[in-house]
Amino acid sequence: DIQMTQSPSSLSASVGDRVTITCRASQSISSFLFWYQKKPGRAPKLLLYNVFTLQSGVPSRFSGSGSGTDFTLTISSLQPEDFATYYCQQSYTTPWTFGQGTKVEIK
Amino acid sequence: EVQLVDSGGGLVQPGGSLRLSCAPSGFTFSSYWMSWVRQAPGRGLEWVACVNEDGSRVFYMDSMEGRFTISRDNAKNSLYLQMNSLRAEDTAVYYCARHRVGVRAFDNWGQGTMVTVSS
Repeated sequence: DIQMTQSPSSLSASVGDRVTITCRASQSISSFLFWYQKKPGRAPKLLLYNVFTLQSGVPSRFSGSGSGTDFTLTISSLQPEDFATYYCQQSYTTPWTFGQGTKVEIK
Repeated sequence: EVQLVDSGGGLVQPGGSLRLSCAPSGFTFSSYWMSWVRQAPGRGLEWVACVNEDGSRVFYMDSMEGRFTISRDNAKNSLYLQMNSLRAEDTAVYYCARHRVGVRAFDNWGQGTMVTVSS
């Protein structure tokens, strides 16, 4: 199985900060990399697919980059509604796997 | 508006069975791959299983293959997850999720249904 490792596991940031979360795959996953936002008690929300393509309705402050095994999610200017847990996910091969999550908390 | 409504969760004893359902609306269900994804309390997201548009192809997370069965009835507009031989570690919120067309990402999710396996 492909292991997805995110770092950091958690971070504290302020509104307006630039935030970067990394995701590393245990083997190359081409561009089959997606990012989700998860808030407590709510369903996950797709943010980006195929590394860098924004899902409809997602603000442009979210961006993605990377290829092969190393990927990054960047929030250019953190907003109050962005405090949540973020997950990367690969679907290069089954079983599809998620990273362990990165919790973004208010500083 | 795309909507997915999960149901069927509850309390079940170890070794027991449960059948989850997902009722889609607002889109042509038979044109989409579908998956089940779960989140155990205090844990991250875990993909469980997926099924293709006509139900002819299914895939599972290793630990669930042989115990869980994903299926769909396009005539009834429904997705199912039959869970047998349940274990305490299967306790989680289970979400049905739609795959984005042409992309193996989950673009719409149900609200989740809680499954608790405990004696």
